[in-house]
Amino acid sequence: GESVGLHLPTLSVQEGDNSIINCAYSNSASDYFIWYKQESGKGPQFIIDIRSNMDKRQGQRVTVLLNKTVKHLSLQIAATQPGDSAVYFCAAASPSSNTGKLIFGQGTTLQVKP
Amino acid sequence: EPEVTQTPSHQVTQMGQEVILRCVPISNHLYFYWYRQILGQKVEFLVSFYNNEISEKSEIFDDQFSVERPDGSNFTLKIRSTKLEDSAMYFCASTTEVGGNEKLFFGSGTQLSVL
Repeated sequence: GESVGLHLPTLSVQEGDNSIINCAYSNSASDYFIWYKQESGKGPQFIIDIRSNMDKRQGQRVTVLLNKTVKHLSLQIAATQPGDSAVYFCAAASPSSNTGKLIFGQGTTLQVKP
Repeated sequence: EPEVTQTPSHQVTQMGQEVILRCVPISNHLYFYWYRQILGQKVEFLVSFYNNEISEKSEIFDDQFSVERPDGSNFTLKIRSTKLEDSAMYFCASTTEVGGNEKLFFGSGTQLSVL
């Protein structure tokens, strides 16, 4: 079946350093991916998305890289700040569904040390 | 910025009781969803809803679950007879389009505790 997984449950970084959160997916037909940020007590908040016809997409302080060969994507956060502390989820649009269903990964908790 | 709103934020109920979780999706969105997240686990898809009918549901979404859009703004999830294992955070989401651009907007969730 379809699955999306994250490599590390927890990532601890120093404030100001760059953070890299990795994610793998199983279905090579997946063509749309999203990174969400979830702060305590809140719902997932959209960060950035990427379609499979791209390898890289940049936002404000965030970059998503997609490697379709190894079915891997990563989220890079530049100059990590304390406000970036949260749980980060990657999600993939289910290619077997046309209803907008997303398959979520397990989540990586990013801890930013001052 | 428009947002998905959910009420209540917390719901405590006794096992076997019915609960209704309420959501107001973003006004121009056409596709609506319920997801749930058991503590410490990943966010799981429950059901998608479009054009006043269910378009897809997961194996979790059994006969005890139902969804409804009773008017032009509300979208509800009903659990007919709650079980202990229904305790989770329930998220409503909505989006404008699907088919490769599923940028879902999520509400803040309802924490359901079944005692």
